[in-house]
Amino acid sequence: DIQMTQSPSSLSASVGDRVTITCQASQDISNHLHWYQHKPGKAPELLIYDAFNLEAGVPSRFSGSGSGTHFTFTISSLQTEDIATYYCQQYNLFPTFGQGTKLEIE
Amino acid sequence: QVQLVESGGGLVKPGGSLRLSCAASGFTFSLYYMSWIRQAPGKGLEWISYISDSDTKYYADSVKGRFTISRDTTRNSLYLQMNSLRAEDTAVYYCARAPSSYKGSPTSIDYWGQGALVTVSS
Repeated sequence: DIQMTQSPSSLSASVGDRVTITCQASQDISNHLHWYQHKPGKAPELLIYDAFNLEAGVPSRFSGSGSGTHFTFTISSLQTEDIATYYCQQYNLFPTFGQGTKLEIE
Repeated sequence: QVQLVESGGGLVKPGGSLRLSCAASGFTFSLYYMSWIRQAPGKGLEWISYISDSDTKYYADSVKGRFTISRDTTRNSLYLQMNSLRAEDTAVYYCARAPSSYKGSPTSIDYWGQGALVTVSS
């Protein structure tokens, strides 16, 4: 299976900060990568698909980039409602998730 | 609207068995790849198994040989038979639908169930 190394595992930032999360794939996955937001007690929500495409209805402060083995997820201006755990997920072979990044407000 | 409702979770001893069910409604069940994804306490999401619209099955190494995924299109239901359970199988298990596939593998998840808690402990 393809391994996804996501970092950092946790992150504390202030409202209005720019936040960046990275995911490294163990082999080339082209752009076959998504980003999810997971809030406690709720189902995970797909935010970014195929590395950089914003899912309908998702605020434009969320963005993604990258291809091959290195990917980045960015929140341009952190809001309180963005507190959640974020996961990358690849689908080049059997789908796998990164370990997650727990985002907190300072 | 799409609904996925899991049942069958509970407490089981190590080495025991449990069968999870997922009742699907609001879409043509037979046309979609379906998956089981779990989250252990304090851990991240783990995609453990999927079944294609043509009944091809795939398992993560962590459950291969112990878990069996199946579906009954007449009942619009997905199942996960879990045998030889271990403490590390303790988790919330989600039934999930994939909206599309790529080279025989689901691409993403668009609908999730509420989850079923499985606890493996003596």
